[in-house]
Amino acid sequence: GQQLNQSPQSMFIQEGEDVSMNCTSSSIFNTWLWYKQDPGEGPVLLIALYKAGELTSNGRLTAQFGITRKDSFLNISASIPSDVGIYFCAGLRNSGGYQKVTFGTGTKLQVIP
Amino acid sequence: NAGVTQTPKFQVLKTGQSMTLQCAQDMNHEYMSWYRQDPGMGLRLIHYSVGAGITDQGEVPNGYNVSRSTTEDFPLRLLSAAPSQTSVYFCASSYSMGLEQFFGPGTRLTVL
Repeated sequence: GQQLNQSPQSMFIQEGEDVSMNCTSSSIFNTWLWYKQDPGEGPVLLIALYKAGELTSNGRLTAQFGITRKDSFLNISASIPSDVGIYFCAGLRNSGGYQKVTFGTGTKLQVIP
Repeated sequence: NAGVTQTPKFQVLKTGQSMTLQCAQDMNHEYMSWYRQDPGMGLRLIHYSVGAGITDQGEVPNGYNVSRSTTEDFPLRLLSAAPSQTSVYFCASSYSMGLEQFFGPGTRLTVL
């Protein structure tokens, strides 16, 4: 089945550093979503992107909808220990009259105090 | 609002046993879905429902059944559990397909 490729798969960073991760696909999507999953919890939506080229911020988080509509990027500035978790991208596209969602494989972030 | 609730939180089964994972939401969402999460595989869609009485298969439906008799509830049934079904299962809901999904806390299932 369709999967989105996320990179990196995991990363260890020092507190205060900036973080970048991305999501790529061979398919075109009309919406990109970024979720964060805390350990032992379900994913929670961070940012939603609806237009190609769109750049949206949510506090220290900034995400972009790639102009090709096949990729998206998430940046976290000045990381803090509570940023630890797994970050998932999700792409939405029309399929058979419905909006189908596909999740990425996740980026596991560890922040060293 | 309780949001999306799932029970049980943990479950251990023997191969061949059956069980039902419960999911309920109190947000009057039309769309509900079940995912499984495995290491390195992200979230994979098992089954989904666009409203009461309507269900459809997702990416990995084999070995699972669902029904949607009410807007609030969307149980996932394992008729004959297999070790390959060891995973963490998440239920999610949204106002409609394609909008922000709200996830439950998950059920961690181990099949021996």
